[in-house]
Amino acid sequence: KQEVTQIPAALSVPEGENLVLNCSFTDSAIYNLQWFRQDPGKGLTSLLLIQSSQREQTSGRLNASLDKSSGRSTLYIAASQPGDSATYLCAVIGDNNDMRFGAGTRLTVKP
Amino acid sequence: AAGVIQSPRHLIKEKRETATLKCYPIPRHDTVYWYQQGPGQDPQFLISFYEKMQSDKGSIPDRFSAQQFSDYHSELNMSSLELGDSALYFCASSPGGQMNTGELFFGEGSRLTVL
Repeated sequence: KQEVTQIPAALSVPEGENLVLNCSFTDSAIYNLQWFRQDPGKGLTSLLLIQSSQREQTSGRLNASLDKSSGRSTLYIAASQPGDSATYLCAVIGDNNDMRFGAGTRLTVKP
Repeated sequence: AAGVIQSPRHLIKEKRETATLKCYPIPRHDTVYWYQQGPGQDPQFLISFYEKMQSDKGSIPDRFSAQQFSDYHSELNMSSLELGDSALYFCASSPGGQMNTGELFFGEGSRLTVL
């Protein structure tokens, strides 16, 4: 059974810092990996999708990488802003559409 | 751009009652997924539909059922509600077939409270 782990569980940084969130998964036979943002009591906002054949995706200040063989993905956030404060979830999608989420990293960016 | 619409946004029920949640996917998305997120937990996959047929089943209790209709909207029916069913229920959609990149687009969720 696929297990997804996110490290760290929580992170607090001053505004302007660059930061890296980590996601690891146990079964490398994945279809996609998707990073989401979740604000308290809100839905999931898709940030980046990396298909299994890709190694990275970029959107604005966000860059996500994928290393299937080692079962790892990272989300890099450049020049963090207080508005980036949220929980970031990594989700791994298997060939059968089964989607497994990590427990998330709770990010706080201090002004 | 149109997003995934879920209704109702909030629902309060008593134990042993029945609840129905509705999900309207993004236009031209024919795949719908349901997730349950308990307090402080990550979302758990319940069930998915593609072209009105069940495509995958996760940890959905037997007391729950779901279906996808001809207009691709989906309904999650929950009966004999228990206190532990209190959660945020998310619906997600994606385009199926050859257009399916696997990217999921989530609604805002329906918060069910069972008293």
